Amino acid sequence: KAGVTQTPRYLIKTRGQQVTLSCSPISGHRSVSWYQQTPGQGLQFLFEYFSETQRNKGNFPGRFSGRQFSNSRSEMNVSTLELGDSALYLCASSLGHGADTQYFGPGTRLTVL
Amino acid sequence: AQKVTQAQTEISVVEKEDVTLDCVYETRDTTYYLFWYKQPPSGELVFLIRRNSFDEQNEISGRYSWNFQKSTSSFNFTITASQVVDSAVYFCALSDGSGGSYIPTFGRGTSLIVHP
Repeated sequence: KAGVTQTPRYLIKTRGQQVTLSCSPISGHRSVSWYQQTPGQGLQFLFEYFSETQRNKGNFPGRFSGRQFSNSRSEMNVSTLELGDSALYLCASSLGHGADTQYFGPGTRLTVL
Repeated sequence: AQKVTQAQTEISVVEKEDVTLDCVYETRDTTYYLFWYKQPPSGELVFLIRRNSFDEQNEISGRYSWNFQKSTSSFNFTITASQVVDSAVYFCALSDGSGGSYIPTFGRGTSLIVHP
């Protein structure tokens, strides 16, 4: 079974631009979660989607948004990029029931200049 | 609120040494789940183990073993006869359903460096 895939793997943007990251979950998984990982803050939860609905949301500004499609693929968008948005963005998928194990993708490394 | 503490920021060992990574958690719930993940330099978090609060049995998988002790709220991870390929950042995580959500809380991670 294929694992979680994320595209692109690397991105370089400038301040003020916007970016869209994509995540394809493991086949059969209905939940997709997004995390931001930085050296200073560690792994921080952004949001979780289940069956095309946002089920949980972390403490991030409204510039961070996401969506999930009917095939469970998910995208996250960051508008008006700031230098502090430079991070590794990780996507994780799970079956979606309670505390199911989350399986992570390789991440997208975003650099904002 | 749930909390995970990995007090060891970085551990450096020589190959074939045994090493234990500590994880201490806090939760008010009686039902919760604990996880360990490995993050090699490539960046992807690799799932290692999931344990629920009702199962305190220790687990061994090859060179890896886990010691879960509810009395001390700890879920420690031991690598026996470490190898260079074990070099990575290891994360402990807790999921307890607080606030109606099972989103896991991760510790800050322990960077393990295994020297040849």
